[in-house]
Amino acid sequence: SYEVTQPPSVSVSPGQTARITCSADALPKKYAYWYKQKPGQAPVLVIYKDSERPSGIPERFSGSSSGTTVTLTISGVQAEDEADYYCQSADSSDTWVFGGGTKLTVL
Amino acid sequence: EVQLVQSGAEVKKPGESLKISCKGSGSTFSSYWIGWVRQMPGKGLEWMGIIYPGDSDTRYSPSFQGQVTISADKSISTAYLQCSSLKASDTAMYYCATSPGYSYGYGYFQHWGQGTLVTVSS
Repeated sequence: SYEVTQPPSVSVSPGQTARITCSADALPKKYAYWYKQKPGQAPVLVIYKDSERPSGIPERFSGSSSGTTVTLTISGVQAEDEADYYCQSADSSDTWVFGGGTKLTVL
Repeated sequence: EVQLVQSGAEVKKPGESLKISCKGSGSTFSSYWIGWVRQMPGKGLEWMGIIYPGDSDTRYSPSFQGQVTISADKSISTAYLQCSSLKASDTAMYYCATSPGYSYGYGYFQHWGQGTLVTVSS
């Protein structure tokens, strides 16, 4: 089955920059999307089409793409950014797939 | 903006069937896709499938094809997820969510329901 790979965890101090990567073979041809999920809450879309930010999402959230890897960057991390982050894309058959998720810890 | 309200928590016994609902409001229900996502306890998100209520076009993840049925009734702005022969491993939170499309850059979840917790236990 198609795999979307994320690191299990990333840690960063407040005010620093967090970078969460997501790798998959079809990413050069398929967009990636990012969701933030806090414990006990539904996920929230934070980036779509690799780098677009939905209304209401802080400017410190940004996305980029390079080859088979996309990156979610959170600049000036705040305590409220601590959450699980999921990458989502699609395989060549347009079956959607989520990555395993990355737990962002704000130290 | 779209709001999605899901049906309440369910407790089922192994072998029973389940049908949970997701009611949309605030926008034209038939103008977007509605998908379902499973999240098992302490685990990640899994895409189950998606439906376009306008014409009932439905796509399933191979992992869930044949295991679940996704349907919709646009007359009451409601989508459904149906599972039969439940097992303990079906215990999970199930989310519905809207998507502006299925592919070509529109294949993502924009607005989410609050989730429905399903517990399968004897």
